[in-house]
Amino acid sequence: SQQGEEDPQALSIQEGENATMNCSYKTSINNLQWYRQNSGRGLVHLILIRSNEREKHSGRLRVTLDTSKKSSSLLITASRAADTASYFCATDAEDDSGAGSYQLTFGKGTKLSVIP
Amino acid sequence: GAGVSQTPSNKVTEKGKYVELRCDPISGHTALYWYRQSLGQGPEFLIYFQGTGAADDSGLPNDRFFAVRPEGSVSTLKIQRTERGDSAVYLCASSLDSGGADEQFFGPGTRLTVL
Repeated sequence: SQQGEEDPQALSIQEGENATMNCSYKTSINNLQWYRQNSGRGLVHLILIRSNEREKHSGRLRVTLDTSKKSSSLLITASRAADTASYFCATDAEDDSGAGSYQLTFGKGTKLSVIP
Repeated sequence: GAGVSQTPSNKVTEKGKYVELRCDPISGHTALYWYRQSLGQGPEFLIYFQGTGAADDSGLPNDRFFAVRPEGSVSTLKIQRTERGDSAVYLCASSLDSGGADEQFFGPGTRLTVL
């Protein structure tokens, strides 16, 4: 079963605009990661945010995490045509000891199209 | 350095046949994972190896699926008596260690089509 749910399912923007994607999850997590996938093949890791962090930046990416709402957002600023891809959030569930598990649970993804 | 590699990239087989999918993890990564991704869905966990042993195979859908990692490096996912519903992209990932906080590096996947 899939824990995460990305919103929106699809997003189309003009090059240069910002793109915001949201992710909601159900259970307590150890950390949350965002991945990008091109053409339905391999996933590329973008950023990891831990459950005790609220915001993280990496280049044009900004990720926020709100554990009280069990939600995260991924912001891509100044989008480029090359950002066209599907974006997935993946959660690493917290086990009974409070440590993280190894099993990533993915959402269905947001399909982003950046129009040149 | 080399990333995770998977072979074959595409596999077409007939219903009822046996298939093997291979994964070469990043050198030195002790943890290896298999996921399955159906069209329009996110990847779903199948099995996790720590070294040579399958630490968790709870994601395997049934006993037709089996995976090995005999020397703690290369892994093979084996599917017996394939069914049309097994058609999907099978993704392999590796990480330095388990513990949940490590980035998992994914291979390009094997697209399996069962006719």
